[in-house]
Parts: sequence; C-alpha cells; structure tokens
Amino acid sequence: EVQLVESGGGLVQPGGSLRLSCESSGLTLSGYNMNWVRQAPGKGLEWVSYIGGWSEVIYYAESVRGRFTISRDNAKNSLSLQMNSLRDEDTAVYYCARDSGRGYSCDYWGQGTLVTVSS
Amino acid sequence: QSALTQPPSASGSPGQSVTISCTGTSSDVGRYNYVSWYQQHPGKAPKLIIYEVSERPSGVPDRFSGSKSGNTASLTVSGLQAEDEADYYCNSYAGSNILFGGGTKLTVL
Repeated sequence: EVQLVESGGGLVQPGGSLRLSCESSGLTLSGYNMNWVRQAPGKGLEWVSYIGGWSEVIYYAESVRGRFTISRDNAKNSLSLQMNSLRDEDTAVYYCARDSGRGYSCDYWGQGTLVTVSS
Repeated sequence: QSALTQPPSASGSPGQSVTISCTGTSSDVGRYNYVSWYQQHPGKAPKLIIYEVSERPSGVPDRFSGSKSGNTASLTVSGLQAEDEADYYCNSYAGSNILFGGGTKLTVL
C-alpha cells in the first residue's frame, strides 16, 4: 500500500522543541517537492513549509519562519521538520504531503501526527 | 500574507449543483494558474480533487470542476451525492508562499 507516515508528534511545553519525520512506503519521495501542512483542532488547513526535490529551494510560512526548519534525506526517502521555540498556536495535526509536480498541488498525504504545545 | 477567502458553508440537495468560491488577490489566485482544491472528510487527510485551476486527477469524478476569473477561483460540484458532504479547501501558489482558504463545509441536504 502506498502511504506516507508521519511520526514524532506529542506533548511539549511552550518554548520547547520537537522533530517530526515523514517516511514513505511504496512511494518515491526522492526528487519530488514536499510540503508540511498543519491543521489546528477544529480549524482549517495551513501551509507550513515547502522543500524542493533536491533541497534547492525552501519556503516557510511567515508564522513559522525562523523557528522551524524543513529538511530531507533522499537516500532514506524521508522528510523532517525541526520545530523550535514552540508556541501554543503551533498545536495542530501536522501532515506531510508530496507535491504532484503540477501547480504546487499535493497528491499524496500522510494521516498526520498531533503536536500539542501546552504547559 | 492573508489566507484565501471562502464561504464558511454551502449546501444543496442530492442531484443539484453547488459552487464554492475562493477569493484571493492579484498576487496569488489572479497571478498564477496554480489553484488546487481539496476535499476532507472528518478525521481524514485531505484529498486532491482539482489542480491547476480546472484539471482533475485520475479517479476524481467529472462531477467536480474548477474555474477561475480574475482573483476568484471556483469549485462546482454537480449532481450532488451524499458522499460529497465534506470540507473543501482551495489553495494557491503565491510566489515563495502557498496559501489555503479557510475552508467551506458542504452539506448535502
């Protein structure tokens, strides 16, 4: 079965750090642009970060710029998101999503990992 | 940059058509033909249903169609079915930035 699997979520105190990972089975990530997208409880989708297929370009949403770092390891077919200086408003389900190569759309999504920032 | 603007809700009876709008600016929706639409059922990951304004991925029924005029993109669902009840999100590239709409909850009456 083709799937993306996120891991690394959990409960963290404000100001703390967490590292999310995304791995795939049956799906090549190497060379594909990738995204992290989050969804706060009961809220809509929010794009977080984008990385080019060979890490040649990286974008961040203004809300996380300077605190989050996206990276990838094509040899391991994996994607990561290092999250530092976490805030209450970062509480959300974080999805990794593969760019389809067509107009910045995402054709494959993981099931998400929940990050809760709370004291 | 602000999120794209969608109506919070929309509804229609089975068999009817409904259109959901997505309004951006000349820096995103109006500038690029990189508008996508996603369907999300409760507790599930989003599913791509439209890319590049009006293109449908393989397997998506042709009841779903997309269009754009100026700074506003639209998703039309024709021949509404019960399983179309879900949240719908638009998305646009905005030059080193990617924006989502706030989402529209579609209710099939």
